[in-house]
Amino acid sequence: AQSVTQLDSHVSVSEGTPVLLRCNYSSSYSPSLFWYVQHPNKGLQLLLKYTSAATLVKGINGFEAEFKKSETSFHLTKPSAHMSDAAEYFCVVSGSGGSYIPTFGRGTSLIVHP
Amino acid sequence: EPEVTQTPSHQVTQMGQEVILRCVPISNHLYFYWYRQILGQKVEFLVSFYNNEISEKSEIFDDQFSVERPDGSNFTLKIRSTKLEDSAMYFCASTKGSGAPTDTQYFGPGTRLTVL
Repeated sequence: AQSVTQLDSHVSVSEGTPVLLRCNYSSSYSPSLFWYVQHPNKGLQLLLKYTSAATLVKGINGFEAEFKKSETSFHLTKPSAHMSDAAEYFCVVSGSGGSYIPTFGRGTSLIVHP
Repeated sequence: EPEVTQTPSHQVTQMGQEVILRCVPISNHLYFYWYRQILGQKVEFLVSFYNNEISEKSEIFDDQFSVERPDGSNFTLKIRSTKLEDSAMYFCASTKGSGAPTDTQYFGPGTRLTVL
């Protein structure tokens, strides 16, 4: 079975400071991992994905994530937050146990203060 | 850039009524999905659809639910007799590939279903 834990329901940062959104997963196979962002009244948009290539994955809008198998983590980071980054972020795992059904984390709400 | 669209954005219905949620996936995509998100809870997989048939479905997707691709563009989710607990945001998604775990899914903006 696969599962995803997003450790923080809310993260609050000031504009210009670093962002860290934490995600831990459990999977019995080499997983595919994704981060999606959801702005109000919009669909989920892919930020980046890990599919067993480079462990440091760069995404859109300056975000990146590092796959750490030993820690079963896939934390999302950005060096400098922008007001437009305020949104809901979802960590997703798929590919475990022969099923292609993705499992979503509960989401982390990123709040950016001026 | 092509997008997945969903209509309506908000649907209000009475308990026991049938509802049809509509999605237009990206035109050259092959694999289609429905998800739901009950307020305050996780996004949950409902069903995947490929080559005009259901590929996988979750335990949530019981006999009250059905999906259809009635023409070359629309992908619908029907709930036959809505219950209060069906109130949720329903997301449609599509992928260009054949549903592999590595495929990127493109999501629509969602339909908020409210059952009274």
